[in-house]
Parts: sequence; C-alpha cells; structure tokens
Amino acid sequence: DQQVKQNSPSLSVQEGRISILNCDYTNSMFDYFLWYKKYPAEGPTFLISISSIKDKNEDGRFTVFLNKSAKHLSLHIVPSQPGDSAVYFCAAGVGNYGQNFVFGPGTRLSVLP
Amino acid sequence: EAGVVQSPRYKIIEKKQPVAFWCNPISGHNTLYWYLQNLGQGPELLIRYENEEAVDDSQLPKDRFSAERLKGVDSTLKIQPAELGDSAVYLCASSLAGVTDTQYFGPGTRLTVL
Repeated sequence: DQQVKQNSPSLSVQEGRISILNCDYTNSMFDYFLWYKKYPAEGPTFLISISSIKDKNEDGRFTVFLNKSAKHLSLHIVPSQPGDSAVYFCAAGVGNYGQNFVFGPGTRLSVLP
Repeated sequence: EAGVVQSPRYKIIEKKQPVAFWCNPISGHNTLYWYLQNLGQGPELLIRYENEEAVDDSQLPKDRFSAERLKGVDSTLKIQPAELGDSAVYLCASSLAGVTDTQYFGPGTRLTVL
C-alpha cells in the first residue's frame, strides 16, 4: 500500500512553460514534505520542502503548494529549463528532524527545447 | 566539502554470493541511512543510524542483510547470500539530525545479481 503516490510516471513540457508535478499521500500523520530531483547515475538531491503549517513555499523558480485537506501537494517550476529534465521524487514524513521519510515512485520530467 | 561517498558504483555477482557496500557520509553528519531503490520506484528505507546506533531497522531483511556503523562514521551494508531479487540500486544518505531535515544522498551502488 503506497503511502505516497505520484500518479504521473512522466511529463513533457516546453522550455519556458510551467511544469506542475503532483503528489498525493494517504497518511494524515505526515506533516513534512520534500521534493528531490534525480539525474541519471546520481543520487537524489534536495530541492525544496514544506511544513504542514504552511500552504506554500517558494525558492526561486520552484514553488511547492500543500493542500492538507486533500492530502495533495504539487511542485511548480516556472519557467522550465532543459536542465530541469530529471526524475522528481516527493517524500513525506512525520516531523522534520532526522525522521524517516516515505518516497513516492517519482515523475520523469522532460523539458523540450 | 565532499559529499556522501559510496563504493563500489557497480557490482555484478552470481546469486548466493556475498556482497558488501560501503558508505562514507558527509563529515559531521550523525544520521546515516541506507535505502534500496528498485527500477521505477522511489527509495525505500532499509536502516537508519543515529551515530553508531541503529534506531530503525524494521525494513531490513535480517535473514540475509546486515549493516554496521562501528565508529559512528562510515558504514557497511552486506547481503549474504544474494538473491536475484536483490538487484537494485543501494543508496546511502546522511543528515545532521536535530538541525536539518535535508538528507544528502550518495550516487548509489547498482547491484546486479545473475
């Protein structure tokens, strides 16, 4: 039973447009969420996080939105660049310090020039 | 500053053989994680260490998997004997528990069991 779901295995977007990656979770105890980006043959790298006390967090071109009632979060990338092409993982956990995070299966984003 | 180092990067073995993976976390990071990543899936936690103590090994298949972090720095994950289904990428990550939530991942070891 997957606690963190990313229902779109892949997404293609034109360069300069917005990329929206979605993530759903089932465990209502989750209160901290992260997005990681992974290039081939490399480990995942941290992108952005959000606590359940917020509904939005921004970092440059990346914004994460959290809808707690729907148990849904999304990552927006604006504008999308070819270098953003990677696999994006959503992760969720209880608490934010040294806790175990559950990862989704990932969404492969392709930004087309 | 050096990132998380893992070796080897690739390993091919025959089933029933033993195999070991090594991880050196970022200097000063007291929390170390071992993850398993199957193709098309996200990382799944195998074991988490706080310093030298394994604080969560509930997902580690203890009949064939073992791990150690003797001095609270680098760590070794072992499989003995390996099975065909163990073919996957084994990721190591570290973080500074109590300070930051960010886990820093190594490049992983891709294991192929024939």
